[in-house]
Amino acid sequence: DAGVTQSPTHLIKTRGQHVTLRCSPISGHKSVSWYQQVLGQGPQFIFQYYEKEERGRGNFPDRFSARQFPNYSSELNVNALLLGDSALYLCASSLVPATDYGYTFGSGTRLTVV
Amino acid sequence: RKEVEQDPGPFNVPEGATVAFNCTYSNSASQSFFWYRQDCRKEPKLLMSVYSSGNEDGRFTAQLNRASQYISLLIRDSKLSDSATYLCVVAAASAGKSTFGDGTTLTVKP
Repeated sequence: DAGVTQSPTHLIKTRGQHVTLRCSPISGHKSVSWYQQVLGQGPQFIFQYYEKEERGRGNFPDRFSARQFPNYSSELNVNALLLGDSALYLCASSLVPATDYGYTFGSGTRLTVV
Repeated sequence: RKEVEQDPGPFNVPEGATVAFNCTYSNSASQSFFWYRQDCRKEPKLLMSVYSSGNEDGRFTAQLNRASQYISLLIRDSKLSDSATYLCVVAAASAGKSTFGDGTTLTVKP
């Protein structure tokens, strides 16, 4: 079975541009969460989706948006990129919203904004 | 104040040592607790869940004190391969999220 798949693995964007990051969860998993991790810090929660509905949102500006598709894959969109958006973006897959079972993470998308 | 706080370390210990990490959390409605391990420039990986009764997995023991809102991880007989950052995670269904600490870095030396 494939694990959590994220694409692209690396990305360089210019300030002001927008970016779309993609995630395919483990087969059978219906919940996807997105996290941002900057160097030296733990992952910061951005969104959680379950059964195509948003179940949680972190303290990120409206430039960040996401959605989950009928096949449970997900996209994270970031508009008007800032230098501070440079980070590792992690997608976490779980059977249900992971309050009991923990997550399986993808290997992440490393975004650099220049 | 951060929702989940960890001593960042670094902890530098010799092989075979016993080392303990602590974590405190502020949301008393938290329901589930975990330790993750993250190697340099890699994704976090679930190490173990943490239960009030305490639980053990080989050389690793996790403890939860709900009254004090405190979680711990004990590693016995440290191996070189244990060198990593250990992340404390607290989950609350009401908040629809799991909150990560900033991690404690462990380096095990020969």
